[in-house]
Amino acid sequence: GQQLNQSPQSMFIQEGEDVSMNCTSSSIFNTWLWYKQDPGEGPVLLIALYKAGELTSNGRLTAQFGITRKDSFLNISASIPSDVGIYFCAGRLGAGGTSYGKLTFGQGTILTVHP
Amino acid sequence: NAGVMQNPRHLVRRRGQEARLRCSPMKGHSHVYWYRQLPEEGLKFMVYLQKENIIDESGMPKERFSAEFPKEGPSILRIQQVVRGDSAAYFCASSPGVQGEQYFGPGTRLTVT
Repeated sequence: GQQLNQSPQSMFIQEGEDVSMNCTSSSIFNTWLWYKQDPGEGPVLLIALYKAGELTSNGRLTAQFGITRKDSFLNISASIPSDVGIYFCAGRLGAGGTSYGKLTFGQGTILTVHP
Repeated sequence: NAGVMQNPRHLVRRRGQEARLRCSPMKGHSHVYWYRQLPEEGLKFMVYLQKENIIDESGMPKERFSAEFPKEGPSILRIQQVVRGDSAAYFCASSPGVQGEQYFGPGTRLTVT
């Protein structure tokens, strides 16, 4: 089955620093999604990417869909304490077959921001 | 517009009992997905349903687990004869279409004692 390798596993940064995390896959994905999960809650969608090479921003967040369609990265600029949480990448296959609805998730990046 | 609703938020069951987890999708969404998350791991796909149909159940164990999404009412994930290894957080997501963005509920945390 598809696997996503997400790195780094954890990050400890100072408030105000920029953050970068990425996901790589052995499979080609049609869609990449980035989620943030707070303790005891469900994942919240941050950014969705639909085209190879696409670069999309949402406030201080920027994500890119790799040109090979096998990778994606997420950048957070000028981090603040409320950025603390677990960030997950997720990929979805292209249309065709019954597997193309489900998401495959990375293992997550735990972000800690020191004030 | 209310988000995805799940209940209960926490469920404790003894080994051998049944667990029923409910999910009400966002208004206008007819596609529902169930995922399971073990501590300190990512989410793992279990099953994908549309109204009254199971589209993909490739991630769901063949025994003891079943899911439905009836014409009226919430989607139900049912686990019969629970074992300790079933303890996990179970998340439901919904989307307006198969290629649409998936929005997650707050999850049900199942503990089997």
